Amino acid sequence: AQSVTQLGSHVSVSEGALVLLRCNYSSSVPPYLFWYVQYPNQGLQLLLKYTSAATLVKGINGFEAEFKKSETSFHLTKPSAHMSDAAEYFCAVSGYGSGTYKYIFGTGTRLKVLA
Amino acid sequence: EAGVAQSPRYKIIEKRQSVAFWCNPISGHATLYWYQQILGQGPKLLIQFQNNGVVDDSQLPKDRFSAERLKGVDSTLKIQPAKLEDSAVYLCATSRSDTGELFFGEGSRLTVL
Repeated sequence: AQSVTQLGSHVSVSEGALVLLRCNYSSSVPPYLFWYVQYPNQGLQLLLKYTSAATLVKGINGFEAEFKKSETSFHLTKPSAHMSDAAEYFCAVSGYGSGTYKYIFGTGTRLKVLA
Repeated sequence: EAGVAQSPRYKIIEKRQSVAFWCNPISGHATLYWYQQILGQGPKLLIQFQNNGVVDDSQLPKDRFSAERLKGVDSTLKIQPAKLEDSAVYLCATSRSDTGELFFGEGSRLTVL
């Protein structure tokens, strides 16, 4: 069975400060891992994905995440927060079976950026 | 390319009434997912279709929820009768068979009074 745990339902950072959103996963097979962002009243948008290639994955809007198998983690970072980064962020794990992909989402972390 | 289309965006109903949501996937996307997102929680899979066949409906409350995917394209999700706890955003997502990358619609927000 696969699962993800996001530590911290709310995170506040000052504009220009480092953003760190935590995600730990559980998977019995090599996982595909994703970060999605959700702005108010919108659907989820893909930020970045890990699919067993490079362990450091770069995404859109300056975000990146590092896959650490030994720690079963896939934390999301951004060196300098911008006001427009305020949103909810979801970590997800995916597995392939029966000819299709299945996704499990974390409970989300709401990022607040302070001026 | 056009994105995943959902309607209606907002719906308010009384408990015990019925409601239906519609999803039009990105052209060529074989897999379609309906998720329920309750405020403050992550998306929870209700049902997953591969073309017009059901892959997973293990978390669909079948006594009140139903879904179909007509000819492997559009899909509808129906709730009858609605309960207060069904208040949530219903997200439709689709993906290609090869990459599996999910594309989400904007969601349909349901309020049950």
